[in-house]
Amino acid sequence: DADVTQTPRNRITKTGKRIMLECSQTKGHDRMYWYRQDPGLGLQLIYYSFDVKDINKGEISDGYSVSRQAQAKFSLSLESAIPNQTALYFCATSGTQGNEQFFGPGTRLTVL
Amino acid sequence: AQRVTQPEKLLSVFKGAPVELKCNYSYSGSPELFWYVQYSRQRLQLLLRHISRESIKGFTADLNKGETSFHLKKPFAQEEDSAMYYCALSRGSYIPTFGRGTSLIVHP
Repeated sequence: DADVTQTPRNRITKTGKRIMLECSQTKGHDRMYWYRQDPGLGLQLIYYSFDVKDINKGEISDGYSVSRQAQAKFSLSLESAIPNQTALYFCATSGTQGNEQFFGPGTRLTVL
Repeated sequence: AQRVTQPEKLLSVFKGAPVELKCNYSYSGSPELFWYVQYSRQRLQLLLRHISRESIKGFTADLNKGETSFHLKKPFAQEEDSAMYYCALSRGSYIPTFGRGTSLIVHP
């Protein structure tokens, strides 16, 4: 089945470290998104990309960067991790037939 | 700016009771509204969308443009309905806005 995958699934790191979270999809979708989920705050959009050459900031892009290496891959980087970036991070895709989002399984990131 | 409000962080009911998870939105155009569900330790998945007018797992949601609401309802809650529910709004440019979520707990 076509899917959205994320690696790693869990990561513990220290303040100041550079971290990359990766997202791959086999759905053939052009649109890809990165969200963070915090208790009580719901889902907040970090970055999104509508094709390989298109990168856009979301609501909370400060402290993050992204790279769209191919249609199927969209990576999120934390250049210098800080404790308040501890959260659950989700990648999502959507296709051209509607606005439904298809989510990956999430990456739980802890910054000590 | 578009906004989605889910006023309840937590909704606790007993099995067999009716459930209504509230969602209000602000958007000046014609919205496309969704409900997503996240069961424990699982990824978010689409539950239903307003344009399909379906009933999924016994849940329904009606778009009320006058009240700018898209409340999710189920007449008889089941324990397996316990999950986190997110209301979401998409505009034509495919940039979604999610509410903060409501945690539904259904007690036996």
